[in-house]
Amino acid sequence: GENVEQHPSTLSVQEGDSAVIKCTYSDSASNYFPWYKQELGKRPQLIIDIRSNVGEKKDQRIAVTLNKTAKHFSLHITETQPEDSAVYFCAAKRTSGYNKLIFGAGTRLAVHP
Amino acid sequence: KAGVTQTPRYLIKTRGQQVTLSCSPISGHRSVSWYQQTPGQGLQFLFEYFSETQRNKGNFPGRFSGRQFSNSRSEMNVSTLELGDSALYLCASSPAGTGTVVEAFFGQGTRLTVV
Repeated sequence: GENVEQHPSTLSVQEGDSAVIKCTYSDSASNYFPWYKQELGKRPQLIIDIRSNVGEKKDQRIAVTLNKTAKHFSLHITETQPEDSAVYFCAAKRTSGYNKLIFGAGTRLAVHP
Repeated sequence: KAGVTQTPRYLIKTRGQQVTLSCSPISGHRSVSWYQQTPGQGLQFLFEYFSETQRNKGNFPGRFSGRQFSNSRSEMNVSTLELGDSALYLCASSPAGTGTVVEAFFGQGTRLTVV
C-alpha cells in the first residue's frame, strides 16, 4: 500500500544548529516529494519539493535529498532560527495525473535561542 | 492572486447532524483535493476533484462525499456526524492536468468540532 514514514516525531535543536528530518516511502511509483511547514494554527505551506529525476535540491538554508533506490528522502535545515519552529510534513505523490499526497506523520521542530 | 479560501473557518455540530464545507481554489486551478488532519492520524487524503469529476478517493466511509462545480469551487459533505469526525479539514488546489507534477496549495482549513 501507500505509506510514508517520517522520523523523528520531535526534534529539538539550538539556534544555529542543523536539523535533519527523514522520510521513507513505500510506493515505488512515487516521483514527487514535497515538504510542508505548518505553524501553529496555520495552513501547511510548501517550502521545498523534489522530483524523482533530481538527487538534491537547495534553497538557501533548506535542502532536500532523494535516494530513489532506497526510497528515502530527507530535509536538511542549516543555521536554524527560532522562526523555523513548526511541524514539518513530508509527502509523496505519483505523476499519474492524480493529486493525491501521502503524508508522513510530521516532525515537530523546536529551535531554542 | 488570491489564495485558497475555505469557509467557514470554524464549525460546531452535534452528533448525527450533517455539515457542508466549501473550498474556492486559486483562480485557474482545476484540481481540488480534501484532507482530514487530526492529532492522531495526521493528514489523510479524502478525495480529489478535477473538472467536476472525482478522480481519486481515500479510505473514508461513504458518509464523506464531495462535489465540484463548473467554476472549480468544491464542497465537502459529512453526514451523520460522529465525535471522531472532529478535525481540521483542509483543501488543496493545483493547476494540473494529467502527466504533470505540480505543487498543491492549501487553504486555512475548516475546524470542525462534533459534540
